[in-house]
Amino acid sequence: QKEVEQDPGPLSVPEGAIVSLNCTYSNSAFQYFMWYRQYSRKGPELLMYTYSSGNKEDGRFTAQVDKSSKYISLFIRDSQPSDSATYLCAMTESGGSNYKLTFGKGTLLTVNP
Amino acid sequence: SAVISQKPSRDICQRGTSLTIQCQVDSQVTMMFWYRQQPGQSLTLIATANQGSEATYESGFVIDKFPISRPNLTFSTLTVSNMSPEDSSIYLCSVHGLAGRRSYNEQFFGPGTRLTVL
Repeated sequence: QKEVEQDPGPLSVPEGAIVSLNCTYSNSAFQYFMWYRQYSRKGPELLMYTYSSGNKEDGRFTAQVDKSSKYISLFIRDSQPSDSATYLCAMTESGGSNYKLTFGKGTLLTVNP
Repeated sequence: SAVISQKPSRDICQRGTSLTIQCQVDSQVTMMFWYRQQPGQSLTLIATANQGSEATYESGFVIDKFPISRPNLTFSTLTVSNMSPEDSSIYLCSVHGLAGRRSYNEQFFGPGTRLTVL
């Protein structure tokens, strides 16, 4: 079993839809959770960064962490064509000197106008 | 976030040759890392670039194949040595611990270097 599992999609939704992206993980030592957005032929861009269980909201994006279930989600409200990208979840055990990120494979999202 | 640049942005190389990729950050950072992103695979950490000392490599990656330098707090290089077609991938540098940034634990990525080995 891989440490981080993420459905690669592809996921196609109409403009304005609510998008739900998910990752599960097996390592209970993971403490910090991130979502990155990667446009084609670009580097990953940090979208959301969370530490504790619960929800964190930033504009149209909400990150949700459930450590008891080892499950994280990213919700996108009122999705736009500009949200079309690959979304990567990432996590790490600590924020100290051993700051190694473990990534999911990414979910390819297309928002159709 | 920091401005991170990588050179070259892409290259096509012959089998058996070596390529050095540069990563430059516009501000001092604590940590610099090198990742590989192969098609259909997760981003995989190659090594942590340590300033003034040897890089720390992850399992499956060795210094002879991926020598890394980090002469200061804003610059690092990754060399892909004796390349084979299996080395075709996107190589990304990332940084952690931007000086003066409120949220110290975030990690930011460069634009990547797309390498094709024939």
